[in-house]
Amino acid sequence: NAGVTQTPKFQVLKTGQSMTLQCAQDMNHNSMYWYRQDPGMGLRLIYYSASEGTTDKGEVPNGYNVSRLNKREFSLRLESAAPSQTSVYFCASSEQVGWDSPLHFGNGTRLTVT
Amino acid sequence: GDSVTQMEGPVTLSEEAFLTINCTYTATGYPSLFWYVQYPGEGLQLLLKATKADDKGSNKGFEATYRKETTSFHLEKGSVQVSDSAVYFCALSNTGTASKLTFGTGTRLQVTL
Repeated sequence: NAGVTQTPKFQVLKTGQSMTLQCAQDMNHNSMYWYRQDPGMGLRLIYYSASEGTTDKGEVPNGYNVSRLNKREFSLRLESAAPSQTSVYFCASSEQVGWDSPLHFGNGTRLTVT
Repeated sequence: GDSVTQMEGPVTLSEEAFLTINCTYTATGYPSLFWYVQYPGEGLQLLLKATKADDKGSNKGFEATYRKETTSFHLEKGSVQVSDSAVYFCALSNTGTASKLTFGTGTRLQVTL
């Protein structure tokens, strides 16, 4: 009963390096999301995918790209990491996009950019 | 735009004490309201929800009532346990912003023996 699985759990990057955060869900959910969590700011939506083949920007998309590889997988890419991207990143999924569909979260990736 | 305001933490209580975590919101239309809980080292989990005015969401002894007249969704529990120590997030989802949850900043609860 894995739910939403994120890899890696921890990562340290130097400024300018690139990396991809991986996310997979096994609940046959249609919609997937990437959030970042920063102290005192709650969670903010980076990108989401309403269904396989579609992606849309959230509140804080700058510096990120996403790929919805298939229904199960949704990756987040940092092309040139910056210290401002130091954060905890959460992937989530839901049955559908919509106001009444609760999110299921992974355990997060803690990223530090030096 | 939509926003959620939660009381500042941390909240420190003794076991068996009564808990209230305040949450108020600003939104157009008729949002759904949620409480999520984050235990140490884990992702957020849905604790309870309410989808219309006067609805009461409840789960694991926690309750919250959707009060449209005061735009509030306060979380309560009659008797907290050490295992309730976590960060609690109030959130809303609006019919006009398909998919997006707007979160509050979170309130850390520490329960001691």
